[in-house]
Order: sequence, then structure tokens, then C-alpha cells
Amino acid sequence: DAGITQSPRYKITETGRQVTLMCHQTWSHSYMFWYRQDLGHGLRLIYYSAAADITDKGEVPDGYVVSRSKTENFPLTLESATRSQTSVYFCASRRTENTGELFFGEGSRLTVL
Amino acid sequence: QKEVEQNSGPLSVPEGAIASLNCTYSDRGSQSFFWYRQYSGKSPELIMSIYSNGDKEDGRFTAQLNKASQYVSLLIRDSQPSDSATYLCAVNLLYYGGSQGNLIFGKGTKLSVKP
Repeated sequence: DAGITQSPRYKITETGRQVTLMCHQTWSHSYMFWYRQDLGHGLRLIYYSAAADITDKGEVPDGYVVSRSKTENFPLTLESATRSQTSVYFCASRRTENTGELFFGEGSRLTVL
Repeated sequence: QKEVEQNSGPLSVPEGAIASLNCTYSDRGSQSFFWYRQYSGKSPELIMSIYSNGDKEDGRFTAQLNKASQYVSLLIRDSQPSDSATYLCAVNLLYYGGSQGNLIFGKGTKLSVKP
């Protein structure tokens, strides 16, 4: 029972580079989410997806791109990383729209130098 | 701006005491309410959900919801050092960003239970 996995767990990159954070879930949950967590801001929604090929912006989408060609995968790409994108990124999934329990991955800690 | 507010803490209580965590929200259209626990360096995990006014108990945890006053609270009885963590309040808005399914999180309250 792998659940939801993120990779890489830790990443250091430089300003201007492209970075992709991977998220994979084995439950066939319809809904998937990307959050970032920063001191003083809590968890903020970047993008979400209701199903394969359906994605939409959350609270802080600028500078990020997502795709969802398969139900189980939801990669997050930083096209040109900036220092302000240094954060801990959490991928999450839920079974239905109205089920409150989000299942979180272990997080990806990204540092942009 | 739809908001979920929590005291950042830290809230410090002695072992065996009752810890009381509070959360207020701005949108009267909010439908569902959740408490997540997050240990340092770990991901959040759901500990309580509540959907209607009143109290909901689960073991040592009691969630309380008052929609008229727009607040939700979490009581932890017989607090243990293992309860030391950050507690996140999350609110499921009726409509946010085009989806009914999005949770808005508060910034969290850090709880410290002293032996």
C-alpha cells in the first residue's frame, strides 16, 4: 500500500532553472492537489485537479505549471525557479469532491539559490 | 478574501491538562470543518472532521462547531507529550476557485505538552 509518493524529497536548484516535482498516488483518487507550506503563511493551494486532463488554479499559481495526463500522476513544474519558490511542497489527494480527508504525500523540500 | 484564522501559539500545557485550540473563519457559506495534526518535518494528517453545530467526540479529542459565531475548536483531554505538534484548522468552502472540493487552511497553532 504505497499511497501517495512524492519525488524528489529534497532538491536544491538555482534561480532560472526548470524543476519538476513528481506526485504519484495508487488509490485512483479523482482529486489531486499541490500545496506549498511556508513559515507565516501556512498551507496554500497552488493547483488542483478534479480528474485526468482537468486542472485549475488555486490561491498561488503564478510561476507553476501542472499537467495530469493519467489519474495517478500530477507533476508540478517550476518553469523558471525563483528564490521566493523556496518552500516545502505537498501533494495531496482525496477520493471525492465532498470527502474532507486529504491524504498528503511526505513533501518535497525545494531550495532555490 | 476568504480566511481561516488561528492563534499561532505556541500554546503550552502541562501533561494531563486540557488543550483548547480555536479557529475562526470568514465565509458563512463554509460547509465542512477539519482539524489536521502536523508533526515537525512531517505531512499533515486528519484527526477530526465536523459538519454540523455542536460537539463531536473521538477518544481524547472533541471538535466543537458554532456556525452562527463562525468558529470551530478542538479540545484535547489528558494531553500527552506525543500531542505536541502543529494543529491546522481547515474549512471546506462551498465554492472556491470553481471547485467545491478545496480546503482552506489556517496557519496552524503550535501545541507543546510539557511532561
